[in-house]
Amino acid sequence: EVQLVQSGAEVKKPGESLKISCKGSGYSFTSYWIGWVRQMPGKGLEWMGIIYPGDSDTRYSPSFQGQVTISADKSISTAYLQWSSLKASDTAMYYCARQDGSGTSINYWGQGTLVSVSS
Amino acid sequence: QSALTQPASVSGSPGQSIIISCTGTSSDVGGYKYVSWFQQHPGKAPKLMINDVSNRPSGVSNRFSGSKSGNTASLTISGLQAEDEADYYCTSYTSSSPLHVVFGGGTKLTVL
Repeated sequence: EVQLVQSGAEVKKPGESLKISCKGSGYSFTSYWIGWVRQMPGKGLEWMGIIYPGDSDTRYSPSFQGQVTISADKSISTAYLQWSSLKASDTAMYYCARQDGSGTSINYWGQGTLVSVSS
Repeated sequence: QSALTQPASVSGSPGQSIIISCTGTSSDVGGYKYVSWFQQHPGKAPKLMINDVSNRPSGVSNRFSGSKSGNTASLTISGLQAEDEADYYCTSYTSSSPLHVVFGGGTKLTVL
């Protein structure tokens, strides 16, 4: 069974750094694109960027380029989303999501990680 | 502004049918058979309801169906039930983004 298990909720202050994780199991982690989705309170889903763990090819949505870093450690089947300096506007639910084998659609989601940033 | 356009809200009474549209371009919805629909209840992760325009994954009620005409895809929910009240999002493969997939802005379904 394919599973994406994300790290727990985080409460941070503006300016702090953060790295959240998404561990994949039940499939070949290196063979599928995996991405991150932001959902701000009461808003829709925003595709932030994707990574192919097999060769670490990483791509970002223009809205998120330079704002976050996506990475993966294939030795432990885990993808990451990190911030170097959080802002209050980063407060949101973040989901990891795996694309299908052809990269044409998303077919699995993590349970979400709530990030709250407040002074 | 989302790449795919969905109505902000739709509503229907129990037992009725509703249709949610998802309009894109020839670079996404119109050019490929890779439209998906997701259901999201408050506080929950999105759930795949339809993929490849009209395919229903195992376990999804047959009250949900998908179709496409030109640059517009549609999700039909028949025999509306209270539990169908949720947000619905469409996605499509796109040839115009290196991220492969584009999202719709989401539609809030209210069961009256």
